[in-house]
Amino acid sequence: QVQLQQSGPGLVKPSQTLSLTCAISGDSVSSHRAAWNWIRQSPSRGLEWLGRTYYRFKWYSDYAVSVKSRITINPDTSKNQFSLQLNSVTPEDTAVYYCTRSSGEENSYNWYEKYWGQGTLVTVSS
Amino acid sequence: QSVLTQPPSVSGAPGQRVTISCTGSSSNIGAGYDVHWYQQLPGTAPKLLIYGNTNRPSGVPDRVSGSKSGTSASLAITGLQAEDEADYYCQSYDGSLSGWVFGGGTKLTVL
Repeated sequence: QVQLQQSGPGLVKPSQTLSLTCAISGDSVSSHRAAWNWIRQSPSRGLEWLGRTYYRFKWYSDYAVSVKSRITINPDTSKNQFSLQLNSVTPEDTAVYYCTRSSGEENSYNWYEKYWGQGTLVTVSS
Repeated sequence: QSVLTQPPSVSGAPGQRVTISCTGSSSNIGAGYDVHWYQQLPGTAPKLLIYGNTNRPSGVPDRVSGSKSGTSASLAITGLQAEDEADYYCQSYDGSLSGWVFGGGTKLTVL
């Protein structure tokens, strides 16, 4: 059974960098059958996919257009985890952040979130 | 404003059948991308309910079903139970945005 355990600060100051980590158990971040995502949820923006990383003989990343200039998702194979960095945050980035493991058809975009972390409420405020 | 449109709320009495619609466009559902559904109980992470338009993960009862036609999809729950009271979200891929998108969510109330 795959489990995802999130960690990171719940309060970030405006203009600073939001950093979260998602530790994986029951699977490998280097799995050829999975992708590792960050999704956030807020009352104003609903559920919003932010980006993903996955390994297919080399590492790939895809990011949402809305955050592409500010986001980095990195794998850490030594610790079997992946991380989110979101730069230059504003109060609009206040949300519950989730890490997920997605499954789907290879060479398609028909991927879905099979496993979710517990969620981390991140508040952007001075 | 979400890319996929869902009704804000639906309701039904115990034992009844309810459906939740998810309307998209030619760049997502209408382009042939699959629709997936999630259930979210208060204070918890979403849980996968339907994947690939019609498929149920193990553990999801067969009174839950999904369908898709054209630019829309639907989630149906029959034999409504109190434990079904939750928020429900649809998800698909959008080719114009080059990313996965969600509906705004529907709150199901069991009367």
